[in-house]
Amino acid sequence: GENVEQHPSTLSVQEGDSAVIKCTYSDSASNYFPWYKQELGKGPQLIIDIRSNVGEKKDQRIAVTLNKTAKHFSLHITETQPEDSAVYFCAATVYNFNKFYFGSGTKLNVKP
Amino acid sequence: DAGITQSPRHKVTETGTPVTLRCHQTENHRYMYWYRQDPGHGLRLIHYSYGVKDTDKGEVSDGYSVSRSKTEDFLLTLESATSSQTSVYFCAITGATNQPQHFGDGTRLSIL
Repeated sequence: GENVEQHPSTLSVQEGDSAVIKCTYSDSASNYFPWYKQELGKGPQLIIDIRSNVGEKKDQRIAVTLNKTAKHFSLHITETQPEDSAVYFCAATVYNFNKFYFGSGTKLNVKP
Repeated sequence: DAGITQSPRHKVTETGTPVTLRCHQTENHRYMYWYRQDPGHGLRLIHYSYGVKDTDKGEVSDGYSVSRSKTEDFLLTLESATSSQTSVYFCAITGATNQPQHFGDGTRLSIL
């Protein structure tokens, strides 16, 4: 099955700086890659996703890039704010395949 | 927010007792999933359902069973709870496997 690795496991940045979280996947057939943010005591919430026919997608301060050749995708958060502090998960799946595979998570701490 | 309700939200029980967790959705989504979340392991799939009475195992299914008798409800049962099943359990739903999953707020289960 698919194997998704996520790095780093913890990330501490100063408010206003950028944060980058990276994930690699093993199955070249994977074609859908969502990112989730999980706040304390809550379930993961989708923040952005990308499909394999797109190399980059942006939504305000958040962007995701995908390199299919290298089989890795990254989450970029610019102008970080304290409310960005949370655990972030990447995931990968193949369309028409029932399972989603998650990375182990990155705990982001934005220091005011 | 997607209409997902997990119950109970918290439970403490003793080793050897049966436990059933419920996931209820109001979105009429086809796919439903049970995950467990433990420190350092991210989200691990226990079981999932791709339709009424259609279920399959995930990567950590030993000691768990599921049932889905109607679209809106997906039950997770621990037949004889063990301390290793102490965890936070999340239910997720999606209408299609190239769409994001939406998560409930979790059930914190402690087995003493």
